[in-house]
Amino acid sequence: DAGVTQTPRHEVAEKGQTIILKCEPVSGHNDLFWYRQTKIQGLELLSYFRSKSLMEDGGAFKDRFKAEMLNSSFSTLKIQPTEPKDSAVYLCASSRTGGARAEQFFGPGTRLTVL
Amino acid sequence: EQQVQQSPASLVLQEAENAELQCSFSIFTNQVQWFYQRPGGRLVSLLYNPSGTKQSGRLTSTTVIKERRSSLHISSSQITDSGTYLCAMERTHYGSSGNKLIFGIGTLLSVKP
Repeated sequence: DAGVTQTPRHEVAEKGQTIILKCEPVSGHNDLFWYRQTKIQGLELLSYFRSKSLMEDGGAFKDRFKAEMLNSSFSTLKIQPTEPKDSAVYLCASSRTGGARAEQFFGPGTRLTVL
Repeated sequence: EQQVQQSPASLVLQEAENAELQCSFSIFTNQVQWFYQRPGGRLVSLLYNPSGTKQSGRLTSTTVIKERRSSLHISSSQITDSGTYLCAMERTHYGSSGNKLIFGIGTLLSVKP
């Protein structure tokens, strides 16, 4: 059973560029999450989907960040335009829907560097 | 404001010593999950412990929900235990369901030979 996969693993962008990060959740999982991880802030939630419906769009991240779930097995996170402060690791996670056993499983992340 | 506080921020142990990591929450939660991450590595779920005590190998987690705290005990530490341990709580929402996690900054554990 494959875990959460993310591509690319590393991305370098110039300020102002548009970048798209990709995620495939664990098969059968209905919940999908995008997080940003930095040393200062730790993990911050960017977006949360349940059965492809957007449940939370991350408040402060609405401006230049847009996550989409095109089907139950694929999601993208677009950052447009990128800024140097966006340099971070972007993590995707998935879980079964709610219930007593709603552990989140994480992908390896995409390390983004914005110059 | 950090809704999940972890302590200590860092910890250095000699191999075979025990470690006790603490996590506290500023708001009510009913789900707690502990994760482990090596530098540059994937977050790995260690224990999912909404309440009481759960054990997995050398790891024991104790969660006291009404006191808004959870701890992770690592017994007989090994060099390969080095890394960051993160505590996360599920934020409870009225009117919607879901398991959105809020993370602490983590405890950086270093185990020396």
